[in-house]
Amino acid sequence: DIQMTQSPSSLSASVGDRVTISCRASQSISSYLSWYQHKPGKAPKLLIYAASTLRTGVPSRFRGSGSGTDFTLTISSLQPEDSATYYCQQTSSTPPNTFGQGTKLEI
Amino acid sequence: EEQLLESGGGLVQPGGSLRLSCAVSGFTFASHGMSWVRQAPGKGLEWVSSITGSGGRTYSADSVKGRFTISRDNSKNTLYMQMTSLRVDDTAIYYCAKLAYGYSYGPVDYWGQGTLVTVSS
Repeated sequence: DIQMTQSPSSLSASVGDRVTISCRASQSISSYLSWYQHKPGKAPKLLIYAASTLRTGVPSRFRGSGSGTDFTLTISSLQPEDSATYYCQQTSSTPPNTFGQGTKLEI
Repeated sequence: EEQLLESGGGLVQPGGSLRLSCAVSGFTFASHGMSWVRQAPGKGLEWVSSITGSGGRTYSADSVKGRFTISRDNSKNTLYMQMTSLRVDDTAIYYCAKLAYGYSYGPVDYWGQGTLVTVSS
């Protein structure tokens, strides 16, 4: 199985800061990676797919990059509403479509 | 607008069974793969099972293989998860998830609100 490792597991930042969350796959997944935002009591939301494609309607301060085994989610100009847990997920044709363990972001 | 509404969660004893349902609307159900994803208390998201748009192929996590069965009825726009031999560590919120494509893999572009399954004696 492909393992997904996120870092850090948690971080604290201030409004206006820029933060970076990393996700590493145990083997190459090309660009088959998605990022989600999950707030308590709510359904998760898709932010980015295909490693770097911003979903329609998602603010442009969210940016994804990477390919192969190393990926990054960058959130620039943090807003209070960005406080959430962020997950990466490998979405290749090789099951299971594993999630990373999550990164809890506090603003 | 895409809508996914789970039902069927509840309290069940270890070893028991439960069937989750997910009624969908707002999109062509048969054109999209579907998944179940769960979140145990205090834990992260865990992919559980997926099915192609036609229902012809399914995949499940090793942790539920042989105990959980995903299925769908495209005539009723409904996704199912039959859960048997339930264990305490199956306790979680179970989310119904719409995949962006017709395959059994890919990004989840819409999620339900989740249904809570509690396995306890």
